Amino acid sequence: DVKVTQSSRYLVKRTGEKVFLECVQDMDHENMFWYRQDPGLGLRLIYFSYDVKMKEKGDIPEGYSVSREKKERFSLILESASTNQTSMYLCASSPQGAGLETQYFGPGTRLLVL
Amino acid sequence: RKEVEQDPGPFNVPEGATVAFNCTYSNSASQSFFWYRQDCRKEPKLLMSVYSSGNEDGRFTAQLNRASQYISLLIRDSKLSDSATYLCVVNMVNAGNMLTFGGGTRLMVKP
Repeated sequence: DVKVTQSSRYLVKRTGEKVFLECVQDMDHENMFWYRQDPGLGLRLIYFSYDVKMKEKGDIPEGYSVSREKKERFSLILESASTNQTSMYLCASSPQGAGLETQYFGPGTRLLVL
Repeated sequence: RKEVEQDPGPFNVPEGATVAFNCTYSNSASQSFFWYRQDCRKEPKLLMSVYSSGNEDGRFTAQLNRASQYISLLIRDSKLSDSATYLCVVNMVNAGNMLTFGGGTRLMVKP
């Protein structure tokens, strides 16, 4: 059974802090994704990675960076957190393929930036 | 205009009812289509893929209309446990493994 875990379920940070969100998957998937989910806006892709040390911008990469040093781990970094980054952050992974493969999601991290 | 649009609902239906959700997508070259289910405060999970010929999984039927660029999900004999948000998801052509999510339609099944 695929398992995607995220380091925290709930996180409270202050404006200007550097924030690390960690995601680990145990299925040897090539692809990993970071989304944020906000009411009325649905899931929006921040960054994704299709291989170790590779990263691609999604729809809303501003204010975020990512790191993929190992295949199983994909980190999302908020260099200087702002209140508009308060959101639910979801990590997902999928095997390499033609787009027909499902993405498996982690439980999410609810981030509150004060 | 959003790339994938859904009526946010909520759809409030009694147990046993049949309910249908529609979703429209803007990119005519989209190639793969899915319905995901998301329970309150949980992560999205794949419910079913949507094939051109339409497909059924128990009480759930998904259909695709490429000419009109819409996808539908029909739930028959609704159960209380069907209460969730249903996300319409599209894979755009040349997007590799990237998926585009609709905002979701919330379903509440009442006893």
